[in-house]
Amino acid sequence: NAGVTQTPKFQVLKTGQSMTLQCAQDMNHEYMSWYRQDPGMGLRLIHYSVGAGITDQGEVPNGYNVSRSTTEDFPLRLLSAAPSQTSVYFCASRRQGAAGELFFGEGSRLTVL
Amino acid sequence: DAKTTQPNSMESNEEEPVHLPCNHSTISGTDYIHWYRQLPSQGPEYVIHGLTSNVNNRMASLAIAEDRKSSTLILHRATLRDAAVYYCILRALGSGGSNYKLTFGKGTLLTVNP
Repeated sequence: NAGVTQTPKFQVLKTGQSMTLQCAQDMNHEYMSWYRQDPGMGLRLIHYSVGAGITDQGEVPNGYNVSRSTTEDFPLRLLSAAPSQTSVYFCASRRQGAAGELFFGEGSRLTVL
Repeated sequence: DAKTTQPNSMESNEEEPVHLPCNHSTISGTDYIHWYRQLPSQGPEYVIHGLTSNVNNRMASLAIAEDRKSSTLILHRATLRDAAVYYCILRALGSGGSNYKLTFGKGTLLTVNP
C-alpha cells in the first residue's frame, strides 16, 4: 500500500526560485494538509483542504500556495523561495469523520540557499 | 485552542512500562485527545485517541483522567523501536476549520535504554 507519497525527498533551491512539492494519497481521503517542521518547533500547519476544490490556510500560510483539483493530489507551491522556508515538509491525509487517524508522508527536506 | 503540556524528555529501560503524561487543563467537552509519535527521520504516526474512556490498542493504552484535564499514554513494554518524540494533541469535534487542525506542540522525547 502506497499511502501518502511525497516527492521529492530532498531539494536544494536558490533564493527566489520556485518549486512544487508533490503529495499524493491513494486512500480516497477527503482531508489533506501540509505541515512544516523546524528544529525545536514541532509541526506547524501551512494549508489544508477538506475536498477537491476547497483549500484553507493554517498557522503559517505566507509564501505558500496550494490547490486541490483532485481528491488524490495536494501540491504545495513555493513561488519565490526564501531561506526562512528551509525546513522539512510533511503532507498528511485522513478521511472525514469525527476522529479519523491522520496519515503522514515520509517528508521532503528543502534547503533554500 | 486548548493547549497541552508535556515534559520535554523522558527516559526508560527496555522491556519496562512507560507512562507519558499530558496536561490539558483547558480541554473542552468536545475535544478528542490524540497521541502521535515521530520516529527519527520519519513522519509522525498515529498511536491512539480517546474522548472520555480509557482506550487500548495494539500499540499502547490511553488513560484519561475523570475530569479530562490530563491523560497518560502507556507503553506496556518499551522496546528500542519506541524511542521517538510523542505528541499529545487535542482535536475539536464539530464543523468548521477547527475540526481539521491538529496543532502539534514540541512533544516528549522518549529515550529507551537497552
